[in-house]
Amino acid sequence: SYVLTQPPSVSVAPGQTARITCGGNNIGSKSVHWYQQKPGQAPVLVVYDDSDRPSGIPERFSGSNSGNTATLTISRVEAGDEADYYCQVWDSSSDHYVFGTGTKVTVL
Amino acid sequence: EVQLVQSGAEVKKPGESLKISCKGSGYSFTSYWIGWVRQMPGKGLEWMGIIYPGDSDTRYSPSFQGQVTISADKSISTAYLQWSSLKASDTAMYYCARGVGATVEFDYWGQGTLVTVSS
Repeated sequence: SYVLTQPPSVSVAPGQTARITCGGNNIGSKSVHWYQQKPGQAPVLVVYDDSDRPSGIPERFSGSNSGNTATLTISRVEAGDEADYYCQVWDSSSDHYVFGTGTKVTVL
Repeated sequence: EVQLVQSGAEVKKPGESLKISCKGSGYSFTSYWIGWVRQMPGKGLEWMGIIYPGDSDTRYSPSFQGQVTISADKSISTAYLQWSSLKASDTAMYYCARGVGATVEFDYWGQGTLVTVSS
């Protein structure tokens, strides 16, 4: 089955840039979606189809995808961005959906 | 306004059956997928399965195939996740989410249903 690997944690100072990676075999050929989950809350879609943002999501959230790595970038990080982040793809070969292992973003 | 409202928390004993629900409103329920996602305590998100209420097309993750049943009643815009015999390891938060797009991102989520299985 298709596996998506994320770093367990990323730490970043306020105002700096956080980059969260999502590794998978030839993930560049797939569409990657990203979710933010704050403690005690349901996940929220922050980026879809590699780099598009749903309405209401700040422009500070952006995404890219190439080769074996997709990246969620959070610019000008704020305290409110502290959360767990998950990538997700649809694996067409199996017709299954897969979530990444998740990354906890800590704002220092 | 799109909303997915899930049924309330459940406390069950091992071996008991359970059916939890997810009611959609504010959109055409039959035109979007509904996915189910498990989150065990302190752990990540796991895709369990997905259903298209329009024609009841259903797919399951291999990890959950045969362990749960996903269904939908389009007459009342409600999707279901059910177990015939719960285990302690089924203790988790369960989310439903609306799936949209060619590669199905989950754009709206329910509030979650906490299922606790304990003797």
